[in-house]
Amino acid sequence: DIQMTQSPSTLSASIGDRVTITCRASQSINNWLAWYQQKPGKAPKLLIYKVSTLERGVPSRFSGSGSGTEFTLTITSLQPDDFATYYCQQYDNYWTFGQGTKVEIK
Amino acid sequence: QVQLQESGPGLVKPSETLSLTCSVSGGSLSSDYWVWIRQPPGKGLERVAIYDSGRTTYNPSLKSRVTMSVDTSENQFSLKLTSVTAADTAVYYCARHVYGRAMAVWGQGTTVTVSS
Repeated sequence: DIQMTQSPSTLSASIGDRVTITCRASQSINNWLAWYQQKPGKAPKLLIYKVSTLERGVPSRFSGSGSGTEFTLTITSLQPDDFATYYCQQYDNYWTFGQGTKVEIK
Repeated sequence: QVQLQESGPGLVKPSETLSLTCSVSGGSLSSDYWVWIRQPPGKGLERVAIYDSGRTTYNPSLKSRVTMSVDTSENQFSLKLTSVTAADTAVYYCARHVYGRAMAVWGQGTTVTVSS
């Protein structure tokens, strides 16, 4: 399986901050990368697919970038609703997830 | 709009078989990918099985114990995991993956606890 490594594991931030989460793949995934947001007790919610395409209804403060093996999720101006855990997922070769990044209140 | 709903026992005894069903409304099992994902308490997401147009692939770490089946007439798919242990305790999600668009539709998840 392709390994996905997210960093950091936990991130403390304040409302209005710009937040960046990184995801590294153990090999090229041909840009088949998605980002999900998960809140406690809820199913994950798709935010971004194909590295940078925003899912319908997702606020524009979320953006994705990267290529090859290194990818980034950015949240500009963090909002109260954004405190959650974020996962990257590759869907190039079977599917694997990063271990998650918890965004918590500073 | 596609909706998914998991169902099955919430408690399974060690060494027994876990059986779950995902009912699909508003979509067809003859297209896209249909997926089982699980999440142990306090941990991350793990792929269990993926169905795609008659072909099923399994997580290698579970392959000897897991079977995913699809009933297109009932518009549902199922998961069976044999010889369960406490390590199989998790929230089990079913999801739909649209080609190129990842998993945009998820069930609400069902908690399965393995305990005597």
